[in-house]
Amino acid sequence: ETGVTQTPRHLVMGMTNKKSLKCEQHLGHNAMYWYKQSAKKPLELMFVYNFKEQTENNSVPSRFSPECPNSSHLFLHLHTLQPEDSALYLCASSQDPGVDTQYFGPGTRLTVL
Amino acid sequence: EDKVVQSPLSLVVHEGDTVTLNCSYEVTNFRSLLWYKQEKKAPTFLFMLTSSGIEKKSGRLSSILDKKELFSILNITATQTGDSAIYLCAADPYAGNNRKLIWGLGTSLAVNP
Repeated sequence: ETGVTQTPRHLVMGMTNKKSLKCEQHLGHNAMYWYKQSAKKPLELMFVYNFKEQTENNSVPSRFSPECPNSSHLFLHLHTLQPEDSALYLCASSQDPGVDTQYFGPGTRLTVL
Repeated sequence: EDKVVQSPLSLVVHEGDTVTLNCSYEVTNFRSLLWYKQEKKAPTFLFMLTSSGIEKKSGRLSSILDKKELFSILNITATQTGDSAIYLCAADPYAGNNRKLIWGLGTSLAVNP
């Protein structure tokens, strides 16, 4: 058990659907991250939140919309996705965005039809 | 451009073998290098290396960093089937308060009984 949970673990959606991914960390960390992991590509950082404030948006298309209501919860809202958005979406947290090791959740395997 | 290259990309060994995984990096303002193990979904933290020549050890796993030649190795001795996973390497460039790790593609290790 890593202390970072993600739901759902698997998601299949059509290109016109709206869905949300949820991440929760039970570690008392201040920073949270969304990553995209695709086959044959390195982990891609999407968003960073520090104390609920977004500090990094790594040129992510607007069809991905993050939300961080508090330091323990992070959402990724999905709307009108493309098939190439199919990937494993990983959430991570760390005590502080500048220094500490990141701890990952189990990920959501997303398939866009 | 900052980059991390891991080799080999995949490896198949028998239980009891010793393996060495390589990670080379070109990163401006290098601060540290991290190793993660990814089984099924969530990458789990193994080591963080900041100083050259100092070996970090955890059970059958060990790792060392060479900041002059810009690489790190991860050794696994007496491999077991439970070591089968993708091993990810990431370099940490100093970037103020944000932690934007540069990730390698990973080495996929399969340990056969």
